[in-house]
Amino acid sequence: AQRVTQPEKLLSVFKGAPVELKCNYSYSGSPELFWYVQYSRQRLQLLLRHISRESIKGFTADLNKGETSFHLKKPFAQEEDSAMYYCALSVTGNTPLVFGKGTRLSVIA
Amino acid sequence: DSGVTQTPKHLITATGQRVTLRCSPRSGDLSVYWYQQSLDQGLQFLIQYYNGEERAKGNILERFSAQQFPDLHSELNLSSLELGDSALYFCASSGLGQPAFFGQGTRLTVV
Repeated sequence: AQRVTQPEKLLSVFKGAPVELKCNYSYSGSPELFWYVQYSRQRLQLLLRHISRESIKGFTADLNKGETSFHLKKPFAQEEDSAMYYCALSVTGNTPLVFGKGTRLSVIA
Repeated sequence: DSGVTQTPKHLITATGQRVTLRCSPRSGDLSVYWYQQSLDQGLQFLIQYYNGEERAKGNILERFSAQQFPDLHSELNLSSLELGDSALYFCASSGLGQPAFFGQGTRLTVV
């Protein structure tokens, strides 16, 4: 079965500091990986998709198949980045997402 | 706005009651997913429909059921409600080769 692990429940950083939110997955094939962000228990918004390899709001994530990781990074944290971040995996298109437990990012001014 | 609409936004009901949550997917999306988000369990996949047919089942209780109608909107029925069913219920939709987009959720409170 597929599993997504986000080891940190809470990550606090100062404004302007680099951010790395960790995500590890277990799946024997080639999954599709995503990062979703949720502000104050609102809707989940797609932040990044590994196949698109683009940067959104300054965030990037690289899929490392050797380490089965998909860590989310941003060089300089902003207060508005404070939110809940979920890493998710999909086996193929149009299959349910498997979510990690989420990491709450708190950016301190 | 993701294009996925859920109604109602909030629902307060008593234990033992039955409620129906509604989801309208993005235009053209054939897949609809239901997720439950609670503080202790995180985001749990409940069920997926694709073009009217059940496609995948997750941790959905027998007291819960869902369906997708010909116009592709979906309903999640929750019956014999218990206090522990209080949660945010999200619907998401996706098209072929597209990521899932989420609605704003229905916050269910069982008292």
